[in-house]
This record gives sequence, structure tokens and C-alpha cells, in this order.
Amino acid sequence: GDSVTQTEGQVALSEEDFLTIHCNYSASGYPALFWYVQYPGEGPQFLFRASRDKEKGSSRGFEATYDKGTTSFHLRKASVQESDSAVYYCALGDNTGNYKYVFGAGTRLKVIA
Amino acid sequence: ETAVFQTPNYHVTQVGNEVSFNCKQTLGHDTMYWYKQDSKKLLKIMFSYNNKQLIVNETVPRRFSPQSSDKAHLNLRIKSVEPEDSAVYLCASSRLGRYEQYFGPGTRLTVL
Repeated sequence: GDSVTQTEGQVALSEEDFLTIHCNYSASGYPALFWYVQYPGEGPQFLFRASRDKEKGSSRGFEATYDKGTTSFHLRKASVQESDSAVYYCALGDNTGNYKYVFGAGTRLKVIA
Repeated sequence: ETAVFQTPNYHVTQVGNEVSFNCKQTLGHDTMYWYKQDSKKLLKIMFSYNNKQLIVNETVPRRFSPQSSDKAHLNLRIKSVEPEDSAVYLCASSRLGRYEQYFGPGTRLTVL
């Protein structure tokens, strides 16, 4: 079945550091890929999406590029702030018509001022 | 601005009791979901409804039963709760297909 793997369970950075959270997926065809962010006490919020190879999604300084060759959608941000501390989820939306939506295990980001 | 509403925010109950959670969305979406989020923040989809019809039913215990009165409302009932049901239950909505989902704030259930 479809799956999403986030390599890092936790990431700790200082303000202005560069962020990379790795996301790899397994699915047939061209699933839609998403990043979500969850702050304490809230539900996950949609960040951005990409639907085809080489498409870049971005929002709030975060970005990721759909790479079908490496089946990846890594999240990056050039300079993190303490307010970026949250849990980040990579997800995929199946495109075979069975409406499956799969989330990765999440990566907890802590940014120290 | 909140557009997916969940009640209650918290619920504490004893093993064996029945609980019900409510969800309403004002986004005009046709698809709604229930997720369970455990203490490690893992998100597991439980059910998906499209226009009041169940379209995804993951392997969950039979004591869980969703109900949809219209495409804007989706409820979840748990008969005879167990300790392992302690979790945050998240409701979400979207357009049908490969679209982004919008989540409510969640209902935290604690089973004593």
C-alpha cells in the first residue's frame, strides 16, 4: 500500500539555521504531495502541495519540490525562527480513485532562540 | 479563522461508557474525515465520508461508528470505550480527491 516516510523524528536548530526535513513516499502513479504543520493544542494546518514531477510548492518561507525520480518531497527553509517550532507532517493523496490519504509519522521541530 | 468546529474540546470518562463527538465544517466541502492522533503524534485515518456516504473505512474496532446527517456534519460515537481509545480525535474536511484537508482543533479523550 501507499506509504510516507519521514526520516527525522525530531530536529533541534538555532534561529536562522537552515532546515531540511526529509520525506519519501511510495505510491503508484502521481500522488499529490502535501506538507502540514501542527502547533500545540491545534489541528494540523495545510502548508502547501504539489501534484506533478518538478513542481515546487511553497508557503511562509517553506518550500519543497516534487521529485518522482527519488520519490521525495523534502521540506526546506533557509532561516528558521523560534515561532516555527511545531510538528511537521508530509502526506500524500492517492490518485487511483480510492480516496486514500496517508500521513507520515511527523517531525518535531524545536528552534532555540 | 476556524472553519472546522469540534465539540467537546475534552472528555474524561470511565471504561465501558459511551461517548459522542461532533464535527461541523463551514467550508462547503463535500468530504469529511475522522482521524485518531496518539500520544506520539501519529495520525491514523479512521473514516471518510463523501456527501453523507462512507467511502473509506479503515480497520477500526466495531465499537466506533461514524454518522453523517449532511455533508457539513460528521459525528463519531464510541460504544463501551477502552483505555487504548485515549487519544485526540481530529475531524477534517476537503473537496473530494487529492486536495488539502482542513482540520478542527480536535477532541481529547481520556479513558480512566
